[in-house]
Amino acid sequence: RKEVEQDPGPFNVPEGATVAFNCTYSNSASQSFFWYRQDCRKEPKLLMSVYSSGNEDGRFTAQLNRASQYISLLIRDSKLSDSATYLCVVHTGGFKTIFGAGTRLFVKA
Amino acid sequence: EAGVVQSPRYKIIEKKQPVAFWCNPISGHNTLYWYLQNLGQGPELLIRYENEEAVDDSQLPKDRFSAERLKGVDSTLKIQPAELGDSAVYLCASSSARNSPLHFGNGTRLTVT
Repeated sequence: RKEVEQDPGPFNVPEGATVAFNCTYSNSASQSFFWYRQDCRKEPKLLMSVYSSGNEDGRFTAQLNRASQYISLLIRDSKLSDSATYLCVVHTGGFKTIFGAGTRLFVKA
Repeated sequence: EAGVVQSPRYKIIEKKQPVAFWCNPISGHNTLYWYLQNLGQGPELLIRYENEEAVDDSQLPKDRFSAERLKGVDSTLKIQPAELGDSAVYLCASSSARNSPLHFGNGTRLTVT
């Protein structure tokens, strides 16, 4: 089992739709969590951190469930420009930083 | 604030040749990472530095890969000799503290023919 696993993609959604991605992690001692966005042939860029109480940034909501060891990303009112690969990242404590394989999102008009 | 700078952006070499990548992290960032990313996959850690110390190099293929971070600032990743399977994007990232977000450079796209 991989240490960090994400929903398989791709997700194909129409503009305006709500879409959610999940990411599970295996190390219960994991300490911090992030969502990154990666456009085609570009480097990953930080989308948002994930806090225990859940956090929102505009149309994006991130949540953490420590008991079930998963994080989620919800995108409301999808835009064409949201089309990208979304990577979850887990800092497992110590010096390990692990990326998921990514979930591809296609938003169509 | 200047971002993470990597060079070259692209490199094409023949197998068995050596190649080197360079990275300059964000000023003040003590933690530096080298990742490898294959198409359709997430980045995979090769090596992580805290200042000039390599604190995690467990995934670095040490028979052909080497890295250094002299003076705890710039870093160089080397492959010698390169193999066809080394074709990938090599990403450098830095962060201000151990569990802080990573900031990536543009990456070096390596093609081994």
